[in-house]
This record gives sequence, structure tokens and C-alpha cells, in this order.
Amino acid sequence: DAEITQSPRHKITETGRQVTLACHQTWNHNNMFWYRQDLGHGLRLIHYSYGVQDTNKGEVSDGYSVSRSNTEDLPLTLESAASSQTSVYFCASSEHRGGTYEQYFGPGTRLTVT
Amino acid sequence: DQQVKQNSPSLSVQEGRISILNCDYTNSMFDYFLWYKKYPAEGPTFLISISSIKDKNEDGRFTVFLNKSAKHLSLHIVPSQPGDSAVYFCAATTGGAQKLVFGQGTRLTINP
Repeated sequence: DAEITQSPRHKITETGRQVTLACHQTWNHNNMFWYRQDLGHGLRLIHYSYGVQDTNKGEVSDGYSVSRSNTEDLPLTLESAASSQTSVYFCASSEHRGGTYEQYFGPGTRLTVT
Repeated sequence: DQQVKQNSPSLSVQEGRISILNCDYTNSMFDYFLWYKKYPAEGPTFLISISSIKDKNEDGRFTVFLNKSAKHLSLHIVPSQPGDSAVYFCAATTGGAQKLVFGQGTRLTINP
């Protein structure tokens, strides 16, 4: 079965360190997204990609970067981790077919920056 | 600015009764709306959606209503079951963009 996976599921890091969160999907979807979930804010879009070599900034992109070298993967990098980036991160993928826009989400990565 | 708002952080409903979750939006360009359900330590899962050309969509116990003039949508769950206890997010998109804007979420608790 097609799926979307994230690793690691939990990560603790120190302020100032570079951290990369992995996202891998086997749906063969062109669209991939990164969100963070914080209490009171719901899910906020960090970066997204509509295909290989395409990346775009979302609502809360400062301090984050992504790269898309193949269809399956969209890693999210925190250049210099800050305590404000402690959050739960979700990756999602989608494909626009038949007028629908559902995104399929991974299980999430809980990141703690100390 | 919060383009999609869920003003009730939590809702408690008795098992067997109707659960009604509400969502308001401000961007009149939104033309497709979705509801997601999220259990703890899991990713959100798609529940039901509606296009702006419709005012109602049903799927089993779940019905979504859209009132475009009021920029309001609601999710009805009938009858409510214990397994429906979760956080529910509404989301909206302008179809061409394909990216979703989410509300803050409503935690639904179904009491036996």
C-alpha cells in the first residue's frame, strides 16, 4: 500500500544545531507540503513543492528550508534550531485529480529544541 | 490574519447525539473545503470535503454544510460514537493553489 513516512518520530536537539526531518511518500504525488502544529494555531504551512526542483515558501518559512531532488522525498531543514521551533511537524502529499484536493499526512515528528 | 477560524476549542457531546462543529472563513476566493480528523500521536486523516458549487455533502454519518453568503461551514456527525473523539480541523483552498489553510482545530469528546 502507498504511504507517507516521516523520520525520526521524536527528536531532541540543542539551540543552534542544524536539524533535518525526513519525509518519504510512495503515492507518486507531485505535491508535497510541510506543516507545523502548535496549540491555538492549528496547522501552519512551512514550505511546499509542486514537483522536482520546485520549492515555495509558506506562511511560516523563516528558519526552514527544503529541497526536492526526486518525487518521493521532501526533507525539511532547520538551519539553526531555535526554541520557538519546538513543535510537531507534519509532512503531506497530494495530487489534483478529479477536482479533489485531499492531502495525505504522515504520522508527524515531535521536535524539541532545548 | 486567520483566514479560517474554528472558534470553539472544544466540544463535548453525549454518545448517540448529534455533534456539530463549526468553521468560518474570510477569503471569498476559497472554493473547496475539507474536514480532517486527528487522533493523538497520529497525522490528520481526511474525512469529508465540499466544493463551493454545492451546499451539502454527505458520507455516512458525516455531513458537511456550506453557507457561502455567511462564509461558514459546519460538520454534522450523527449519531456520535466514542471513536469520534478526536481533534477536527477544517481547511480551505483556492483550487488552483492546491495548498490548504487550516483552522485552529476543535477537540470533540463523546461521552458515554
